[in-house]
Amino acid sequence: NFMLTQPHSVSESPGKTVTISCTRSSGSIASNYVQWYQQRPGSAPTTVIYEDNQRPSGVPDRFSGSIDNSSNSASLTISGLKTEDEADYYCQSYDSRNRVFGGGTKLTVL
Amino acid sequence: EVQLVQSGAEVKEPGESLKISCKGSGYRFTSNWIGWVRQMPGKGLEWMGIIYPGDSDTRYSPSFQGQVTISADRSISTAYLQWSSLKASDTAMYYCARLPSGNYYDYWGQGTLVTVSS
Repeated sequence: NFMLTQPHSVSESPGKTVTISCTRSSGSIASNYVQWYQQRPGSAPTTVIYEDNQRPSGVPDRFSGSIDNSSNSASLTISGLKTEDEADYYCQSYDSRNRVFGGGTKLTVL
Repeated sequence: EVQLVQSGAEVKEPGESLKISCKGSGYRFTSNWIGWVRQMPGKGLEWMGIIYPGDSDTRYSPSFQGQVTISADRSISTAYLQWSSLKASDTAMYYCARLPSGNYYDYWGQGTLVTVSS
């Protein structure tokens, strides 16, 4: 079984760009797609990135995803930060037996 | 429009049984996996298991195998999560979500809060 490790929290100012990392503990990050979910306080999660870098319809292009083989990690980048982006963000991937979530990153926009 | 609508909040005592539901609409229910995700108070998301309503193929996270039962009724496009004997540690929000390929989630239900307390 592998784990996905995220920073506990990040903060940035409105209008700036922030990147949240997600490091896979074993196995290649490129072997299975990575997804990102946004969870605003008191709400259910929603999908903001799927299949490493694809945005569902309705998700603004300020959100982008990527993977980096050299660091065995995935990243979620949010540009032009808005106060409404303040939320918890979870990465998720899988292998043949399990679906794994990262521990979540709390994004504060201040 | 794809929708997953979950049953309402529950308050139960330890040892009681419970079955919560998740009704899908706006898509072919039998052709997509449905999964359950636990979120304990103040904590992160945990994968519990998934079911393919087309043939009832069910996969469980090792952490939840034997602790819960996942099922589905194709005729009413509804998936279920069931406990036979609740514990206080089952207190959590439970989300259902659709997995188009079985590996990741695209649409989520609104969540069902389960509180287990004597």
